[in-house]
Amino acid sequence: AQSVTQLDSQVPVFEEAPVELRCNYSSSVSVYLFWYVQYPNQGLQLLLKYLSGSTLVKGINGFEAEFNKSQTSFHLRKPSVHISDTAEYFCAVKLSDSNYQLIWGAGTKLIIKP
Amino acid sequence: ETGVTQSPTHLIKTRGQQVTLRCSSQSGHNTVSWYQQALGQGPQFIFQYYREEENGRGNFPPRFSGLQFPNYSSELNVNALELDDSALYLCASSPATGNTEAFFGQGTRLTVV
Repeated sequence: AQSVTQLDSQVPVFEEAPVELRCNYSSSVSVYLFWYVQYPNQGLQLLLKYLSGSTLVKGINGFEAEFNKSQTSFHLRKPSVHISDTAEYFCAVKLSDSNYQLIWGAGTKLIIKP
Repeated sequence: ETGVTQSPTHLIKTRGQQVTLRCSSQSGHNTVSWYQQALGQGPQFIFQYYREEENGRGNFPPRFSGLQFPNYSSELNVNALELDDSALYLCASSPATGNTEAFFGQGTRLTVV
């Protein structure tokens, strides 16, 4: 069965420090990969997506992610975080043979310490 | 260009009641998906509508039903509410099915007491 695992439920980091949020997936078919951000009491906003091509994907707000097919991972990184990055981050996959549903990880709360 | 809007933003219902949640798609989008997000968890796919027809369904019982209208707005109906139905319900619209990006509304927070 397909699944998405976000290895850390919370990641505390000091302001201006780098951060990596980890995401691994399990699938028997090829996938499209997404990272979404959810600010408190709001819906989900797309940060970046991998469909094909270069495995390093750049997104909004200075975030980037790297697709590693052999390790079935899609980790999210930012070289220097800001207090405004405090939010919950969700990794999601869409199966290449499916027209519809996204399969989601449980989320990682990014906590920025001043 | 307006984004995805959902109504109401908050709702309190009693166990056994029925509820209707509404979603207006982003302009030009013909595909709508609904997700349930329980507290502290990732979203779970309920179903998707494409051009007024159900296009796919997740692991939810039949008391979760939906509609999509000719203007591509959508409703989620839940009958016989249970306490475990308390969650944030998210609507997402897309310009088509497939690998395109989904645009999310701010959600409806449903509390069942």
